[in-house]
Amino acid sequence: KQEVTQIPAALSVPEGENLVLNCSFTDSAIYNLQWFRQDPGKGLTSLLLIQSSQREQTSGRLNASLDKSSGRSTLYIAASQPGDSATYLCAVRGAGGTSYGKLTFGQGTILTVHP
Amino acid sequence: ETGVTQTPRHLVMGMTNKKSLKCEQHLGHNAMYWYKQSAKKPLELMFVYSLEERVENNSVPSRFSPECPNSSHLFLHLHTLQPEDSALYLCASSQVGNSPLHFGNGTRLTVT
Repeated sequence: KQEVTQIPAALSVPEGENLVLNCSFTDSAIYNLQWFRQDPGKGLTSLLLIQSSQREQTSGRLNASLDKSSGRSTLYIAASQPGDSATYLCAVRGAGGTSYGKLTFGQGTILTVHP
Repeated sequence: ETGVTQTPRHLVMGMTNKKSLKCEQHLGHNAMYWYKQSAKKPLELMFVYSLEERVENNSVPSRFSPECPNSSHLFLHLHTLQPEDSALYLCASSQVGNSPLHFGNGTRLTVT
């Protein structure tokens, strides 16, 4: 059974810092890995999706890497801003032969960026 | 307008009530999902509909009953719920295949 762990559980940083969020998963047989952002009381916003054949994806100040063999992914946020404050969730889709996106989620990292 | 719309945003119901959650997607996707998010727990997959056929029922109690009348709409019918069913219920959609999931803003359910 796939398990996804995110470290740290919470992180508080001053504005302008570069930071790294970590995600690990126990079963390396995955189709893809997706990073989401969730604001309080809201749904999830997809940030980046990395296919199993890829090593990284970039979008603006965000960069996500994937090391499938070691079961790890990192989300790098450059020059953090107060607007980046949210919960960041990592989810993996197992390569179980299904045609739909059954995701296993981590518990998330709560990020606070203070001015 | 977001691609996935859920109504209502908030719902308070007694244990003997019957209510329904609604989800509508405007993205042309052909797979839809119900997830449950409880406090301090990871999101849990409840149901998956692929091409309007239920393909996953993740050991969900029968007091939760999904319905997918077409590829754009998904419902979750609720009856005789328990207080521990209080949670944020999230709907998502995707294209069948290796594509990302898109989530709605959820329905915050409180069972009293």
